[in-house]
Amino acid sequence: EAGVTQSPTHLIKTRGQQATLRCSPISGHTSVYWYQQALGLGLQFLLWYDEGEERNRGNFPPRFSGRQFPNYSSELNVNALELEDSALYLCASSLVQGAADTQYFGPGTRLTVL
Amino acid sequence: AQSVTQLGSHVSVSEGALVLLRCNYSSSVPPYLFWYVQYPNQGLQLLLKYTSAATLVKGINGFEAEFKKSETSFHLTKPSAHMSDAAEYFCAVNPPNTGNQFYFGTGTSLTVIP
Repeated sequence: EAGVTQSPTHLIKTRGQQATLRCSPISGHTSVYWYQQALGLGLQFLLWYDEGEERNRGNFPPRFSGRQFPNYSSELNVNALELEDSALYLCASSLVQGAADTQYFGPGTRLTVL
Repeated sequence: AQSVTQLGSHVSVSEGALVLLRCNYSSSVPPYLFWYVQYPNQGLQLLLKYTSAATLVKGINGFEAEFKKSETSFHLTKPSAHMSDAAEYFCAVNPPNTGNQFYFGTGTSLTVIP
């Protein structure tokens, strides 16, 4: 069974540009989560989508947005890029059957903002 | 607000020695608890999780963790470290009644000395 996949692996942008990151969940999983992993800060929760709806978002500005498509894949958009947006962006997926559903992670997209 | 504290951002052990990685959480109600491992340039992989069944949880690769409510802790241990255990380890909590919202610690980097 294929795991969570993310594309691209690496992305280099300049300040002010927009970045689009993509995630495909494990087949059958309806929930997708996005995290930012900046150096020394651990994983910061960005967004949670389930069944096409945004369920929750972390403490990030509105220029971080996303969506979930009918096939449950997801896209994270970061507008007006800033240098501090440079980080590894991780996507995870899970079933939502109750509490403690395990989140399965993809390999991440490394975003570098110059 | 929920928080997870991982004491020691860097831990070094000799090959064959005991591994102890610390995790404490802040919650008045015991949450669900997880340990993940991240190898270089990869996503996170689940090691084990606590879901209010047995307080001693066994995971993959010989790791285990014990939930101690009185100490609000969920420390990760392994009796004998292998070189392949060198990685970043993250503790995460899923508080009750938050759906599948996870909060991660800042991680502990484990170095195994030959």
